[in-house]
Amino acid sequence: SQQGEEDPQALSIQEGENATMNCSYKTSINNLQWYRQNSGRGLVHLILIRSNEREKHSGRLRVTLDTSKKSSSLLITASRAADTASYFCATDGSGAGSYQLTFGKGTKLSVIP
Amino acid sequence: NAGVTQTPKFRVLKTGQSMTLLCAQDMNHEYMYWYRQDPGMGLRLIHYSVGEGTTAKGEVPDGYNVSRLKKQNFLLGLESAAPSQTSVYFCASSYSGVDTQYFGPGTRLTVL
Repeated sequence: SQQGEEDPQALSIQEGENATMNCSYKTSINNLQWYRQNSGRGLVHLILIRSNEREKHSGRLRVTLDTSKKSSSLLITASRAADTASYFCATDGSGAGSYQLTFGKGTKLSVIP
Repeated sequence: NAGVTQTPKFRVLKTGQSMTLLCAQDMNHEYMYWYRQDPGMGLRLIHYSVGEGTTAKGEVPDGYNVSRLKKQNFLLGLESAAPSQTSVYFCASSYSGVDTQYFGPGTRLTVL
């Protein structure tokens, strides 16, 4: 079963605007990760946020994590056409032996030049 | 540094045929994974390995077998392919179980 669920399923914005994607999950986690997938390609890791962190930045990316609400958001600022891709959140289970990541179904972002 | 590579990139099989997908990584990672990605389903874990000589079942293991005879290679086998196994298969590796996963470019498999 899917642990993380992204929202919205699809998002279309103009170049230069900000894009916000949300992820909700069901059980306790150690970490939450965000990945990007360009059409027909493998996934590329963007950022990892640990369960004891609330916010993390990487370039134009800002990720927040609210463990009380079991949710995370990914903000891409000043979007570019090259940001067009699908974005996935991935969660692990808390506790020892949590070797698996569970991926959501993704948000498809289209940035219009 | 090639990262994670997958062979082949594309394959068409007839129902009942068998094949093996090869994944190789040159990052000395202990953990390796096989996923399948279907439209609207996201990625689902088929099997994974936490080290050379070990394998374990993921979310959707039926119809697949795996082997990890060498640390750098993780093989996914389909003994008797079915149309339901038409999918894009991704291999990934990581240093630890909760770490960043590095993905290969994928294998697009069609079973007729």
